[in-house]
Formats: sequence, C-alpha cells, structure tokens
Amino acid sequence: NAGVTQTPKFQVLKTGQSMTLQCAQDMNHEYMSWYRQDPGMGLRLIHYSVGAGITDQGEVPNGYNVSRSTTEDFPLRLLLAAPSQTSVYFCASSATSISYEQYFGPGTRLTVT
Amino acid sequence: GEDVEQSLFLSVREGDSSVINCTYTDSSSTYLYWYKQEPGAGLQLLTYIFSNMDMKQDQRLTVLLNKKDKHLSLRIADTQTGDSAIYFCAEWYRREGYNKLIFGAGTRLAVHP
Repeated sequence: NAGVTQTPKFQVLKTGQSMTLQCAQDMNHEYMSWYRQDPGMGLRLIHYSVGAGITDQGEVPNGYNVSRSTTEDFPLRLLLAAPSQTSVYFCASSATSISYEQYFGPGTRLTVT
Repeated sequence: GEDVEQSLFLSVREGDSSVINCTYTDSSSTYLYWYKQEPGAGLQLLTYIFSNMDMKQDQRLTVLLNKKDKHLSLRIADTQTGDSAIYFCAEWYRREGYNKLIFGAGTRLAVHP
C-alpha cells in the first residue's frame, strides 16, 4: 500500500491563479480530509468527505473547493489564490468517519506571491 | 470551545528525559494523540491514548492523561538527537456526522549534546 499520497510536493503560484492539489489513498478509506498547517497554529481542517459524493466544510473552508467523485481521490481546488493561502497542506484519511486513527500524506508546500 | 494548548519550545540534553505537556478543553474527547513531524516531512502518529486510560507506555514513550485537569503529557526517555522534531498534541473532536482532529500549535523539541 502506498497509503496517502499527495502531489505536488511544492508549488509556487501568483495571486489570482488557480490550481488543484491532489490527494489519493489506496486503503479504501471512506473518510478523507484536508488540513492546512501554519506556523504557531497547528493544523486546521479545511474540508472533509465521509464518502464518495459527500463533502462538507471544516473550520477554514473559504477560498477552497473540493469534490469526491471516487473513494480514492479527494482533490482540493484553489480558485483564486491569495497570499493568505501560503501554507503547508495535508491530506488525511481514515477507514470511516468515526475511526480514531487518521493517516496523513506527506504534505504540499504552497507559496502564493 | 475547542482548544488545545502546548508550549512552543523545549530544549533537552541528549540522554535526558523530555516531557512535553498539553492541555485540552473538550471533556468529551475519546482519544488524544501525539504526532511527530520531522523537518520537511508529514505527520507521523506516535501514540494515542483512550480517555478511560491514565497511562500508556510504548518503549521509550510514556503518555499520561489527567482527565480531571484535561492535561496530557508525553515523556520520551533517553532522548536522542533523532527525537528532534515538532510534537503535536491532538484531540479527537467528534460530533454527529462530523469529526476532526484538533491540534495544538506544536512543541519544537531540540536535543543537544
């Protein structure tokens, strides 16, 4: 098993550009989520999905869209990138929405200039 | 409210014990976690403790939970330079149809000779 994979590892965007951060897992997990990590603030939940076709907002969803067309993939889209979105983004998955063990991907470091 | 707090920095000498402390606010948390993040890497689950336990030991790691005071600690015995990393405390926040990990800001552990 590859576990949770994320691409790209690094990305630099200009303000106003759009891009998609990819996340995939091969563990047949129902629950997937996106966090962002900022210095001195730990990780904050952006969006999550309890299964294919079902997504919902976390605590900091503004500026981000998600979709879940398959169990394996959970992409995160930035439509109009802003410098405030400079962060490290982590994707996580767990077997179900009530599973206590989450697996994290290696992260994507995004810089918006 | 949901809040997890931990001190930001700890420096120890190689071979000594390290104790990283954390306080949380959600008394209904069922699981509490310690994650380790090495420079440029993702989050690695170190250990977790269920809320009905007071202590959990795993090799050099000892987790103590004081549920009355909502205090969690991680003790690393015989600290090595390879233990230098950021350690995140997290609590499992679960509500109907919604769950997430709430992270502290992380404690940077520096191990010096």
